[in-house]
Amino acid sequence: SQKIEQNSEALNIQEGKTATLTCNYTNYSPAYLQWYRQDPGRGPVFLLLIRENEKEKRKERLKVTFDTTLKQSLFHITASQPADSATYLCALNTGGFKTIFGAGTRLFVKA
Amino acid sequence: NAGVTQTPKFRVLKTGQSMTLLCAQDMNHEYMYWYRQDPGMGLRLIHYSVGEGTTAKGEVPDGYNVSRLKKQNFLLGLESAAPSQTSVYFCASSYSGTVQGGAEAFFGQGTRLTVV
Repeated sequence: SQKIEQNSEALNIQEGKTATLTCNYTNYSPAYLQWYRQDPGRGPVFLLLIRENEKEKRKERLKVTFDTTLKQSLFHITASQPADSATYLCALNTGGFKTIFGAGTRLFVKA
Repeated sequence: NAGVTQTPKFRVLKTGQSMTLLCAQDMNHEYMYWYRQDPGMGLRLIHYSVGEGTTAKGEVPDGYNVSRLKKQNFLLGLESAAPSQTSVYFCASSYSGTVQGGAEAFFGQGTRLTVV
């Protein structure tokens, strides 16, 4: 079956360090992949999109990589801050209008 | 701009009752979506619309109906609520569908529905 996996365990890091979150998928060949941020009690907010022909995408302190051979995307936040604490969702286009979301990884950044 | 607005924010229903969730967007987006989010699971697509007057089934459509009579509004209906429909519901919109290359989705703040 089609599947998208994100680490269900929360990630705890110290302020100033780089946070790395993983998104793995099986049985897809997505044209692109998106990352969203979700704060408690709020809707997801779009962060970055990376296409299948792109290896890496950056936006300020954020970096996303996309390895279609490994079927994996890594999401990095450099110089992390307590304000970066949130749940981060990975989303794949699986063709047509369908987008599959992962369950998300909770990130805690300690001051 | 308000973006995507959902009403109500919270609701408690008894089993068998009906209700309608309203989603309104002011960005002139063609595409609108209804998702549900349950603990430990990703957002799951219930229904979507690619334009005024159109609707289509998503991944988990059973027990829900939708209507898109006006471009800016997308309504989600529960005709006979069941405890399994206890969830957080999110509406989203985008200026184009995923088939056209990855438009970002704008989400509302969610509706927390409990069916007892």
